[in-house]
Amino acid sequence: NAGVMQNPRHLVRRRGQEARLRCSPMKGHSHVYWYRQLPEEGLKFMVYLQKENIIDESGMPKERFSAEFPKEGPSILRIQQVVRGDSAAYFCASSPGHWETQYFGPGTRLLVL
Amino acid sequence: ELKVEQNPLFLSMQEGKNYTIYCNYSTTSDRLYWYRQDPGKSLESLFVLLSNGAVKQEGRLMASLDTKARLSTLHITAAVHDLSATYFCAVVKETSGSRLTFGEGTQLTVNP
Repeated sequence: NAGVMQNPRHLVRRRGQEARLRCSPMKGHSHVYWYRQLPEEGLKFMVYLQKENIIDESGMPKERFSAEFPKEGPSILRIQQVVRGDSAAYFCASSPGHWETQYFGPGTRLLVL
Repeated sequence: ELKVEQNPLFLSMQEGKNYTIYCNYSTTSDRLYWYRQDPGKSLESLFVLLSNGAVKQEGRLMASLDTKARLSTLHITAAVHDLSATYFCAVVKETSGSRLTFGEGTQLTVNP
């Protein structure tokens, strides 16, 4: 039973480019969460999605960031016009339902040059 | 706003010794989790604590929860090098949906 999958594991972008991060939840999980971890810091919640719905995006910056979880395929976190401050590890987690333990993927480490 | 604080943030200890990591949170919460993170890796779920007085143990780690004091502890018994990692506590509050609010993490180094 594969765990939460994220790709790419490492992503390098130049300022102004777009970054697309993908997350496939564990089998049977329909709830996806995205967190960001800045160097030497804890994780900060960004967005919570169920299939085709954004449930809570209160932690996501209003500009340049968007997330989706389509009916088919992985969840995507999209960052437009990246800046150096976007450099971080982005973790996706999934759970089988609301209010249940979240299982984390290996993360995507984004470096903006 | 829910805040979660851990201490210490850095802990260097000798193998065989005991120590405790503390996790305080600012408002009532409904669940508390402990996670482990190895350098460059993802987070591994260790414990979930649901109610006041809950205690869970796995190997050399034991976690407890005091909801009245808004405090959880992670106790390490007879530390071994393999326990070196960063440990995070995270809290969920039902009125905040399912999102986890994390502490800053405690970076534990166990020296031979």
